[in-house]
Amino acid sequence: GQSLEQPSEVTAVEGAIVQINCTYQTSGFYGLSWYQQHDGGAPTFLSYNALDGLEETGRFSSFLSRSDSYGYLLLQELQMKDSASYFCAAEGPRQLTFGSGTQLTVLP
Amino acid sequence: NAGVTQTPKFQVLKTGQSMTLQCAQDMNHNSMYWYRQDPGMGLRLIYYSASEGTTDKGEVPNGYNVSRLNKREFSLRLESAAPSQTSVYFCASSAYQTGAEAFFGQGTRLTVV
Repeated sequence: GQSLEQPSEVTAVEGAIVQINCTYQTSGFYGLSWYQQHDGGAPTFLSYNALDGLEETGRFSSFLSRSDSYGYLLLQELQMKDSASYFCAAEGPRQLTFGSGTQLTVLP
Repeated sequence: NAGVTQTPKFQVLKTGQSMTLQCAQDMNHNSMYWYRQDPGMGLRLIYYSASEGTTDKGEVPNGYNVSRLNKREFSLRLESAAPSQTSVYFCASSAYQTGAEAFFGQGTRLTVV
């Protein structure tokens, strides 16, 4: 199986940079994904890392280190609309396992 | 709109009643998933189907059954609802067996009283 740990809450101000960390323990790991979920909404896919290194998609970047079983999501130039929950998810042989989520609050 | 469609969006059941949550996707994805989401616990996998005709248990399958009716549709059935099954249920689909780049439905908010 898989288990993932991430901080429960993070707070930052508008325009700042925030990093959300995720550590995982797996018995079969294909890659790490990140999802965003606004209150009352559905999770939406943000990014995916299959290989070590940094993937950049606009203001969002995601990093993976397989040797450290560690990844992070980096959000730059924070906007109020980025206030949401962010989930890391480990891709296994036949399923996707989610962490408990990090509630990001962006303050004006 | 293309994507994953779940019905119903809201449901209230009495303890012991049964119901089926419907899910359909029009992206020609092979893999489909049912998750439940409880406050502070993230998304927990109930059942998944890696391809048409196959289903497998996830982390929390007790009290549920599923049917992969065809490539498009994956339903979740509660045979005898219990208050512990009060949750938000999400269906998802992916083109990949690993679950990469999954698309989620809008969720079903189920309350069992």
